[in-house]
This record gives sequence, C-alpha cells and structure tokens, in this order.
Amino acid sequence: AQTVTQSQPEMSVQEAETVTLSCTYDTSESDYYLFWYKQPPSRQMILVIRQEAYKQQNATENRFSVNFQKAAKSFSLKISDSQLGDAAMYFCAYRSAKMGSSGGSNYKLTFGKGTLLTVNP
Amino acid sequence: DTEVTQTPKHLVMGMTNKKSLKCEQHMGHRAMYWYKQKAKKPPELMFVYSYEKLSINESVPSRFSPECPNSSLLNLHLHALQPEDSALYLCASSQERNEQFFGPGTRLTVL
Repeated sequence: AQTVTQSQPEMSVQEAETVTLSCTYDTSESDYYLFWYKQPPSRQMILVIRQEAYKQQNATENRFSVNFQKAAKSFSLKISDSQLGDAAMYFCAYRSAKMGSSGGSNYKLTFGKGTLLTVNP
Repeated sequence: DTEVTQTPKHLVMGMTNKKSLKCEQHMGHRAMYWYKQKAKKPPELMFVYSYEKLSINESVPSRFSPECPNSSLLNLHLHALQPEDSALYLCASSQERNEQFFGPGTRLTVL
C-alpha cells in the first residue's frame, strides 16, 4: 500500500518570502500522479499543482512549483512571493495510474496528514 | 462550469433523523466521490461512483447510503447517525485519470 508523509505539521512564512513544504511517499509502482491540494479556512479543497511521474520536468503554476525527485520519492512544494491568501492547510496526495481491480481507473487518492501554513504580514 | 456544488452548507440533525446531502457537477465527469473530513485531518474516502455505478465502498456503516441518480448528481442519505459522525462531508468529481475537483462541503453536526 502506498503512504504519503508530510513531516511538517505547521509552517510559517513572512509575506513576500518563499517557503517549501515537504512531502515524501512510498510506492512500488512506477506510474502514478502526485498532487498538492490547498484547503483555506473557508474549507474548499483546491488543486494547486499536479505532477505525472513519467514527466521529468517539474510542474509549475504561477508562484507554485514542485521539486519532484522520483528516485528519492520526494515531492516538495515551493511557494514564491507568499501572499496572505496562501494561508491554508496543504495536503500532498498520491494516486496510482495502475488500472483498478475492476478494470477501471484507480480512483483512490492517498493523502498526507497535511501542513498548516501561516503567512505573517 | 468548473465547479462542484453541495447542499446544504450546514446541517444539524438528531440521531433519529433522516436527512440527505446533495452534490452536483456539470463538468461531464464520470466519477464522483464522497469523503468525510474531521478537523485538521485529511479527507477519508467513503464511496466512489464510476459511470453511475458504485465502484468503491470503504467499509462505511450502513447508516450512510449513497445514491447516484444520474451522471451529474450524487446524494448521501443519512439515517440514525451517531455524534461521532459529525464532520465535514466533501463531494468531489473527476474524469477518468485526472485530478479530483472538490465541492465546498456540508458541515454536519449530529446531536
């Protein structure tokens, strides 16, 4: 079974600075997807960024970028120029690309425990 | 339309009540999900519907009963709940192998 570990329960960053959130995972599979989700205090879970394991290039979305190290099974999220609106719980998640036992896609997401990010003005 | 909507936003119910949570998406996604989330914890998967058929049931107690009337709608029927069932209930949808889009959730309190 796959596991996802976020070793930082809480992090804080000054507005306009850069912060990196850590995520490691354990899997025996070679083909999978990794995600970072953000959940602000208003509670809606929002996808921040997605990475396909077969792609060597790190994904970027505006101020958000990842450092994907497949061999090390590491998937960290870097937030540049932090803004007050970035304050949220951040969840790292894994999904297998392997077909499920019923023949359909594997729909299950494995989440880490989350990192609560505080942005200080 | 790129959103998942959920109603109601808040629900308070007694242990003998019957209520339903509703979820709707118009993105043409063929997979829909119910999650339960406790405060400061990750979501826990409850059910997955794929092409309107129940694909995954994560050993959820029978007091939770999912229903998928059509490809856009997902219901969660609640009956004889316990106080420990109080949580945020999240609905999500996805295309086959793509990321899941989450709704804003229903905050459920069981008295």
